[in-house]
Amino acid sequence: ELKVEQNPLFLSMQEGKNYTIYCNYSTTSDRLYWYRQDPGKSLESLFVLLSNGAVKQEGRLMASLDTKARLSTLHITAAVHDLSATYFCAVDRAFGNEKLTFGTGTRLTIIP
Amino acid sequence: DADVTQTPRNRITKTGKRIMLECSQTKGHDRMYWYRQDPGLGLRLIYYSFDVKDINKGEISDGYSVSRQAQAKFSLSLESAIPNQTALYFCATSDPPGQGAKHGYTFGSGTRLTVV
Repeated sequence: ELKVEQNPLFLSMQEGKNYTIYCNYSTTSDRLYWYRQDPGKSLESLFVLLSNGAVKQEGRLMASLDTKARLSTLHITAAVHDLSATYFCAVDRAFGNEKLTFGTGTRLTIIP
Repeated sequence: DADVTQTPRNRITKTGKRIMLECSQTKGHDRMYWYRQDPGLGLRLIYYSFDVKDINKGEISDGYSVSRQAQAKFSLSLESAIPNQTALYFCATSDPPGQGAKHGYTFGSGTRLTVV
């Protein structure tokens, strides 16, 4: 059974600091996704990672993938209040079996 | 208009009542999904459909049923609602297979369901 674990569950950090959210998955998967969710809102796609060593960056967020370790990280650089949200990682298989399995989410609060 | 539209946005219902949540999409996608979100548990898959004639159970299908009325419409029913079905429900579609790293899922705005 595929399991996706995220940590930490909650993260409170000061503006200007750096931090990393971790996502582990238990069995081979083809793609790794990162989503952002604001309270009461839908999910916004941030990154899709496919291959080992893939790194993608958008503003203060950078995601990486290590398929051998089954680990993805979401790194936040010099956090700002606007990044406060819940972040989810999720994985799926390709080639006819596309359905997402989600991690538990990390609620990130940026303190001024 | 949104690509994936869910109705209603909010609903309060009583235990034992039958309720239907509706989802329609303008993406032209064959693949549609229903997820449930609970605090601390992430999103869990209830049912999914890869085309109008293909319906599959997800990890938490007990107590739920679905209907794929057309390519664009996928409804979720709670036959007899119970309080632990109180949650935020999301409908989603996905791109066709073969997109590689460009593959994506589109989520609706969600339906907040409260069973009292």
